[in-house]
Amino acid sequence: DARVTQTPRDKVTEMGQEVTMRCQPILGHNTVFWYRQTMMQGLELLAYFRNRAPLDDSGMPKDRFSAEMPDATLATLKIQPSEPRDSAVYFCASGLEQGNNYGYTFGSGTRLTVV
Amino acid sequence: QKEVEQNSGPLSVPEGAIASLNCTYSDRVSQSFFWYRQYSGKSPELIMSIYSNGDKEDGRFTAQLNKASQYVSLLIRDSQPSDSATYLCAVNRYSGGYQKVTFGTGTKLQVIP
Repeated sequence: DARVTQTPRDKVTEMGQEVTMRCQPILGHNTVFWYRQTMMQGLELLAYFRNRAPLDDSGMPKDRFSAEMPDATLATLKIQPSEPRDSAVYFCASGLEQGNNYGYTFGSGTRLTVV
Repeated sequence: QKEVEQNSGPLSVPEGAIASLNCTYSDRVSQSFFWYRQYSGKSPELIMSIYSNGDKEDGRFTAQLNKASQYVSLLIRDSQPSDSATYLCAVNRYSGGYQKVTFGTGTKLQVIP
C-alpha cells in the first residue's frame, strides 16, 4: 500500500528550540497538506501545496512557522522558536486533485511536546 | 456557527446494530464530502466519499447526502467492536483556484460487545 511517511514519530523539545518535521507524500499525488490536531481544536489546516506551490497557509502562525516543498518527494514544517502551546500532533496528508477532490491519505503523524 | 458540526458523542451501540453518525455543514456551495475514521492514537483514514445527493454504499458503510438540508450521514450496519473509533466528517469546496476542506471535530463511536 502507498503511504505518506512522516518523521519523526515523536519529538520532545525545550521551549525556544527549532523543530523540523518531514513528510514524504505518495508518489503521483499533487497536493500536500500540513494539519495540527489538538483535543480542543480538532484538525486545523496549517499549509496546503499543489504541485509544490503554496496555496494556503492562512492557518499558520507566520512569525514562527514555515512550510516548504523543496522537491516533489519532501515537504517540511518548521517551528522556530517553539513554544509549549505548539504541543500537538502534526499530520501531513497528500492527495490527487484533478478538478475534484478525491480525499487525502494521512501520514502517521508527529507528536510534538514542547516543555 | 461552526462550518462543520458533529455531535462529539460518545455514541454507544451494541454489536450488530446500526450506528448512525450525522454531520451538518454551513457552506451551501460545498461540493464533496468525506468520512474519515480515526482510531485512538492513529491518523485519520478515508473510508467514504460522496459527491451527489442520495446514498452511496460500500460494504457495511452507507454515506447519505442531502445538499438541500446541508446534511451528510454515515451508517454502519452490523457494527463491530473494531468499528469503535472517532469518525470525522470533512466538507470540501473549490474556490479561488483551490480546494478548501473543513473537518468536523468528530463523533466518538463505541460498539459494545
